[in-house]
Amino acid sequence: GAVVSQHPSWVICKSGTSVKIECRSLDFQATTMFWYRQFPKQSLMLMATSNEGSKATYEQGVEKDKFLINHASLTLSTLTVTSAHPEDSSFYICSARGGGSGTDTQYFGPGTRLTVL
Amino acid sequence: AQSVAQPEDQVNVAEGNPLTVKCTYSVSGNPYLFWYVQYPNRGLQFLLKYITGDNLVKGSYGFEAEFNKSQTSFHLKKPSALVSDSALYFCAVRGAGDDKIIFGKGTRLHILP
Repeated sequence: GAVVSQHPSWVICKSGTSVKIECRSLDFQATTMFWYRQFPKQSLMLMATSNEGSKATYEQGVEKDKFLINHASLTLSTLTVTSAHPEDSSFYICSARGGGSGTDTQYFGPGTRLTVL
Repeated sequence: AQSVAQPEDQVNVAEGNPLTVKCTYSVSGNPYLFWYVQYPNRGLQFLLKYITGDNLVKGSYGFEAEFNKSQTSFHLKKPSALVSDSALYFCAVRGAGDDKIIFGKGTRLHILP
């Protein structure tokens, strides 16, 4: 149980285009989802927290107009990188936390490697 | 403010020997403590957590961790290391009532055959 999927696992795009990454909780309802960014050999940097049906809360320094987050249902959140540039290239990881007895544990997706040319 | 410290960037252990990956934390109130493992180009896998109860927590793949309130530590341990345990390990903390987990910088574990 507690499986989180991400799609795509990797994506290459041209500078200026937008990229959408999907995060799904497969076997539980995720009341809260988190989006992280990880640079090589570094820890995870929290970008934003979203609760189903509400606007995402962005961390300081994260551009909300550039990184659009939608959490429209209890099993799906999306991150759209708008007008991507090479500096947006990174490993993006989503995480989900659900209701019930597992409310205290975050489960992570496998990550999406974004390369912007 | 919440914080997590993993003092070792890398830990090398011979296969079959016991391993310890260190973690100390700072949080207001009672902590929720977690260990995650990350394999190359993958997301994080949940290993174990401490919320309340017995200070010794057992988790996946034979790992365990001991919550020590006086030393504000939550070291990860395994009695006998396997080469397949080689990965990046993250300690994390969340304060009760907080929404966000704070991660340590990670410790790379190398198990030598």
